[in-house]
Amino acid sequence: EAGVAQSPRYKIIEKRQSVAFWCNPISGHATLYWYQQILGQGPKLLIQFQNNGVVDDSQLPKDRFSAERLKGVDSTLKIQPAKLEDSAVYLCASSWLQGAAEAFFGQGTRLTVV
Amino acid sequence: GENVEQHPSTLSVQEGDSAVIKCTYSDSASNYFPWYKQELGKGPQLIIDIRSNVGEKKDQRIAVTLNKTAKHFSLHITETQPEDSAVYFCAASRGGNQFYFGTGTSLTVIP
Repeated sequence: EAGVAQSPRYKIIEKRQSVAFWCNPISGHATLYWYQQILGQGPKLLIQFQNNGVVDDSQLPKDRFSAERLKGVDSTLKIQPAKLEDSAVYLCASSWLQGAAEAFFGQGTRLTVV
Repeated sequence: GENVEQHPSTLSVQEGDSAVIKCTYSDSASNYFPWYKQELGKGPQLIIDIRSNVGEKKDQRIAVTLNKTAKHFSLHITETQPEDSAVYFCAASRGGNQFYFGTGTSLTVIP
């Protein structure tokens, strides 16, 4: 079974630039999460999708972050404009059903904002 | 919201010894508690989990205990091996909705 795929693996941008991350969840998984993991900390949820609908985006900085999952499969997370404090690893995770509990993570995209 | 605290932040053990990592949570409605292992440059990998209707669960060298009254749960690794070296995260959630993670424990197993 293929795992959660993310790209790119690494990205370096200057502050005020924009960046986008892509995630393809495990086939058949209806729930998709985007997490931000700052160095030395645990992952923090940014947004949770159930199919193509948003379940929870309460911690997403909506003035600069956006995410979509138009067809209920893959998803993109965008930051525009980026700030220095956005430097982190962005992790995508999926689970087969909301409430199924087990979430499987991708390898993440390491973003460095300079 | 939920608050998960994790201790210790770093842990070094001799190969073959046991390692214990402890977490506390604040939301009594949390009912699912997974543990993740994260190796350098990789995403977190689920290693064991426990639900609120169970007090203990074991999988080979790994076990997790849950005390709902005290709102704490622990990861126990026995007969540690060098490949157990990684960062371990506990988490809490209500039925698979938002996972709240602890701050992580960096485990080093010394050969």
